[in-house]
Amino acid sequence: EIVMTQSPATLSVSPGERATLSCRASQSVGSNLAWYQQKPGQAPRLLMYGVSTRATGIPASFSGSGSGTEFTLTISSLQSEDFAVYYCQQFHDWPYTFGQGTKLEIK
Amino acid sequence: EVQLLESGGGLVQPGGSLRLSCAASGFTIGSYAMSWVRQAPGKGLEWVSAISGNSDTTRIADSVKGRFTISRDSSKNTLYLQMNSLRADDTAVYYCAKDPNRWFLYLDSWGQGTLVTVSS
Repeated sequence: EIVMTQSPATLSVSPGERATLSCRASQSVGSNLAWYQQKPGQAPRLLMYGVSTRATGIPASFSGSGSGTEFTLTISSLQSEDFAVYYCQQFHDWPYTFGQGTKLEIK
Repeated sequence: EVQLLESGGGLVQPGGSLRLSCAASGFTIGSYAMSWVRQAPGKGLEWVSAISGNSDTTRIADSVKGRFTISRDSSKNTLYLQMNSLRADDTAVYYCAKDPNRWFLYLDSWGQGTLVTVSS
């Protein structure tokens, strides 16, 4: 099973600042990586797929990069609605696995 | 508009069974791979099971293998998860989700989830 490890577990950032979230895979997943956002009491929402392709309706303030085993999600200027938990997910090999999540909180 | 509505969750005793349903609208589920993903209280996401768009391939997590079965009824545009021999660690919100095409990739639409609680 491919283990996805996200860091940090919690990230405190002020509104308007940049946030950088990391995701590491225990073996190469190529570009088969997605990111999701989850707010309290809500279902996850797809943000990015194929590392860097934004899902429908996702603003350009979100960007993704990386390949192989190291990936990054960047939010260029944090808005109040961006504070949530973020998960990465590999779809390279079954069982598809998620990272444990990074909680992005207001500083 | 794509909509997924889960039902069938509730309180069940250890060893019991439940069948979850996911009614889809806005698209034809037979044309897409579909999945169940669960989230234990305060925890992260776990992919439980998936079925391909033509239903000839299913995937199941080791943690539920031999106990859970995924299926679909295209005539009702509904996805199911039959859960048997339930254990306390199966307690979670169960989400139904859709893939962007017939094969297993990522999940581009999610339902709001149904809570399953396994407790005596």
